Formats: sequence, structure tokens, C-alpha cells
Amino acid sequence: DGGITQSPKYLFRKEGQNVTLSCEQNLNHDAMYWYRQDPGQGLRLIYYSQIVNDFQKGDIAEGYSVSREKKESFPLTVTSAQKNPTAFYLCASTPAGGDRRNEQFFGPGTRLTVL
Amino acid sequence: AQSVAQPEDQVNVAEGNPLTVKCTYSVSGNPYLFWYVQYPNRGLQFLLKYITGDNLVKGSYGFEAEFNKSQTSFHLKKPSALVSDSALYFCAVRIDGGATNKLIFGTGTLLAVQP
Repeated sequence: DGGITQSPKYLFRKEGQNVTLSCEQNLNHDAMYWYRQDPGQGLRLIYYSQIVNDFQKGDIAEGYSVSREKKESFPLTVTSAQKNPTAFYLCASTPAGGDRRNEQFFGPGTRLTVL
Repeated sequence: AQSVAQPEDQVNVAEGNPLTVKCTYSVSGNPYLFWYVQYPNRGLQFLLKYITGDNLVKGSYGFEAEFNKSQTSFHLKKPSALVSDSALYFCAVRIDGGATNKLIFGTGTLLAVQP
């Protein structure tokens, strides 16, 4: 899981509540990503950010929001507008250069359960 | 549209036997191809990648993959499976020259190695 941390590991939320998932990296990577993983569907991209103070929607951004105020941090907020938020959420980052610039490095994930 | 297909939800193999996990892709342009492995409730770990050069790529833990341009495939292989190889495997692709490192993931293949 490298230098990417996600917290908490497990999160429970009641319907109608917003919740924020943390993602921090100390790898000095420029780009960061949020994915959602559901059984049998692989990983789907929610949001990504290539640089501080800039981010773009991925394939399933509805009901989610992000911010990128610092290079090392890319928090994801799951809002009450997200109709089916129960899933495993993965954060990733990519270096701008070097031999591994084409790879994504993943955090350990946060499992969100809506009660 | 770019896509990745992993046609098998699960692959079963006996320990010591060779294993193959299949992946085919559809992209417009030169593909960068990746294999990742995921253990239960963990993030994804990088196994190997094909960018250019030799079609046979060697990666971590004795795994290798062969890029076949005519068949648009990038199958993951290992000569002798271990019980500890049991995990979920993801194939992914991104476009050479793309503005971002956005990856498209397959739906995953569960590898079960029986002792």
C-alpha cells in the first residue's frame, strides 16, 4: 500500500448523512484518484485531480464531491444525494515522472456501509 | 470507446500447475497495459505493465504477461501456482499519449489455487 493512507478503514453512516473519507499520500505524487469498487463491477472512477486546486469528474461523480487544497491530500465526501453509497472506496496516486510515472499506487481502502 | 474485458469471473487451478488469467482490450491508439492484484479488504498492488518493447513482460511474484497486438490480449501467466497466489486480479489499460493517467479496469478475476 506504499505511502498512501486512507482513514477510517471501516465507516458506518445513517441514510441522509454526509461523510468524508480521508486520503493522504507522502509520495510527492501529483495526480490522485478516487475509485469505487463493487462486487463484479471492478473499479469505477469517481473523481481525479492532476494538480492542486484542480479536479475533474470521473465516470460516476454524481453524489460525490472532492477538494484538492494540498498536494498530499484528496478527501472524498459522499453526500446524501448518492443513492447507493455502500461500497469499498479506493484512493490512488501517480507520480509525474520517473520510471513508475505510468503506474497508480493504491491506498488500503475504506469500506463504507450505510445503515 | 475504450474497454477491458476479463472473460472469467473465477479461475481454479491446482497448486503447482500453470495458471492463466485472461484479459482483452479495446482502445484507439497504443495501449499501456497493467495487471494488479488485490487481497481481501486491501488496496490493489501493482504486478506488471507493458508500455513498449518485448511482448513478454515479467513482474512480481513470478508472474508474467504476454502482449499480443493482433489478438488485443494481455493474459497473465505463472508457470507454477501457489496457494498464496489466491486473490482477485485486475487488468487495466490507459492510452499512450493521453492527457492523464486515467486507467480503465476490467471487472476482475478471482484466482483460487487449491492445495
